[in-house]
Amino acid sequence: ETGVTQTPRHLVMGMTNKKSLKCEQHLGHNAMYWYKQSAKKPLELMFVYSLEERVENNSVPSRFSPECPNSSHLFLHLHTLQPEDSALYLCASSQEGRNPGELFFGEGSRLTVL
Amino acid sequence: GNSVTQMEGPVTLSEEAFLTINCTYTATGYPSLFWYVQYPGEGLQLLLKATKADDKGSNKGFEATYRKETTSFHLEKGSVQVSDSAVYFCALMNYGGSQGNLIFGKGTKLSVKP
Repeated sequence: ETGVTQTPRHLVMGMTNKKSLKCEQHLGHNAMYWYKQSAKKPLELMFVYSLEERVENNSVPSRFSPECPNSSHLFLHLHTLQPEDSALYLCASSQEGRNPGELFFGEGSRLTVL
Repeated sequence: GNSVTQMEGPVTLSEEAFLTINCTYTATGYPSLFWYVQYPGEGLQLLLKATKADDKGSNKGFEATYRKETTSFHLEKGSVQVSDSAVYFCALMNYGGSQGNLIFGKGTKLSVKP
């Protein structure tokens, strides 16, 4: 496989469920990101991991919990979400120090919270 | 603060028509500017970029010129094809910012009819 792959592509969960989104990059990059894409709103950066250390957390509610076990994998753990959290969650990767602003995105995980 | 404003969509054009998608920005300092494209069912991918005033980014027949005097980075293509149907995002990144801390516009959906 090449690029950035995300699973699952679609997820429906109740407000009391616990689920996780997974992202894997096959590009040899050293930074990974989670973005939230909602209709009619700009993309929102949620978390940044560089060299497996979290370097940014943009005031995201604690019901979203990221995990980066190595430079190729990134998870977003979901717990007691709200209906307004329904959105497309995009994972991206890049190589720090090379081509600033050039991110490689996965296809996204479409989340629906009932 | 930093922000990006794009023209509201959707934009519907006939094949071979001329395309302009307006983008203006507000930023401190000297940002780099980007256009990303999202084809149906896919993640975002970088289309073109410009890193300083008067630079022109180009790719796949698309062009955009970094205009500091008008704080604009309008996307243009002389003759669109049906395969150009997608959502286009303008973005900026300030110098020294985190690699992934792109500020995105809301996106403009383009539909090209045969």
